[in-house]
Amino acid sequence: SAVISQKPSRDICQRGTSLTIQCQVDSQVTMMFWYRQQPGQSLTLIATANQGSEATYESGFVIDKFPISRPNLTFSTLTVSNMSPEDSSIYLCSVGRAANYGYTFGSGTRLTVV
Amino acid sequence: DAKTTQPPSMDCAEGRAANLPCNHSTISGNEYVYWYRQIHSQGPQYIIHGLKNNETNEMASLIITEDRKSSTLILPHATLRDTAVYYCIVRVDADKLIFGTGTRLQVFP
Repeated sequence: SAVISQKPSRDICQRGTSLTIQCQVDSQVTMMFWYRQQPGQSLTLIATANQGSEATYESGFVIDKFPISRPNLTFSTLTVSNMSPEDSSIYLCSVGRAANYGYTFGSGTRLTVV
Repeated sequence: DAKTTQPPSMDCAEGRAANLPCNHSTISGNEYVYWYRQIHSQGPQYIIHGLKNNETNEMASLIITEDRKSSTLILPHATLRDTAVYYCIVRVDADKLIFGTGTRLQVFP
């Protein structure tokens, strides 16, 4: 299975600022997703990162708040913009060829907004 | 929205089989059932998936009822390292996985 390097592993940010999270994969993958996990909660899908085109966002998530880039088949970024304390969560990227093969998840970025 | 229902928590003695149930009564004929687990502070880990037939791999067994409205994940010999939150997922569409609330399994000595 693919090996994911997600950076940073954690950060503490001031409200009103933005943070860009990187997801680097050691092999080309078809599917890439970004999830959010709020404290004590399950994972919520933010968007599907599409290579060479705009990401597909889930209900409740918008591009202005969570812009996503995916310039190639091994790399994607998620930016959390204009942060507030409510954005304090773990953000995870997930990759794979297809769901039937099982997806691999990164170790996550633990974000605290103060 | 998640299409599965799981008990919020379960306990299991070390060395015994852990049987984690999942209800997915609205599952469609071509939708797979997936199981992932999340050990504290780590990303979710794929365990197993199935469509109709029972499946087994080195980690676990998946038993799916004939009507496909429920399934059970079996860890045959639970260890302390199996303590985690276990998620039963029915794929929605376009290869997306929508997580439900999961079952918190506590394995005790």
